[in-house]
Amino acid sequence: AIRMTQSPSSLSASTGDRVTITCRASQGISSYLAWYQQKPGKAPKLLIYAASTLQSGVPSRFSGSGSGTDFTLTISCLQSEDFATYYCQQYYSYPPTFGQGTKVEIK
Amino acid sequence: QITLKESGPTLVKPTQTLTLTCTFSGFSLSTSGVGVGWIRQPPGKALEWLALIYWDDDKRYSPSLKSRLTITKDTSKNQVVLTMTNMDPVDTATYYCAHDPVVTEYYFDYWGQGTLVTVSS
Repeated sequence: AIRMTQSPSSLSASTGDRVTITCRASQGISSYLAWYQQKPGKAPKLLIYAASTLQSGVPSRFSGSGSGTDFTLTISCLQSEDFATYYCQQYYSYPPTFGQGTKVEIK
Repeated sequence: QITLKESGPTLVKPTQTLTLTCTFSGFSLSTSGVGVGWIRQPPGKALEWLALIYWDDDKRYSPSLKSRLTITKDTSKNQVVLTMTNMDPVDTATYYCAHDPVVTEYYFDYWGQGTLVTVSS
């Protein structure tokens, strides 16, 4: 199975900051990557698929980039509702696999 | 509007079989290209994909859990059922079902609220 590694595991940031989360695949996955946001006690929410396509209804401050093995999720101007854990997931090959998560906390 | 909701026991004993039901609305599992998957999350840990079933009854399983999992669908009831045999305390997790919008692209655009299953004697 393809291993997905996120960095950092956690970060502290302030409202208004620009935040970047990295996801690395253990082998090339083209652009078959999704990003999810999860708040405590809630189900994950799809933010981005195909590495850079914003899911309907997701604010434009979220963006994704990358292809092959290296990907990034950027939040351009962090809002209070963005404090959460973020997961990447590859769907290039079966079985689909998730990263270990990046927790974005309030500084 | 797509919604999904998981149901099943909150507590199972070790070695027992877990049966979870996902009841959904807003789409049909008889529509070409549609799938429903199961994903779990142990407390404080990451997400783990378990199984998927498609409109044509194609089924996919996590290789590490394949021998213990069975996924089925009841199109008339808008339900998908996951069974997991020989439950162990390490299987304690929140179990989610989710909608897969594109066949063979295993990502999930709508999720149920999840159901916490505890395995303990």
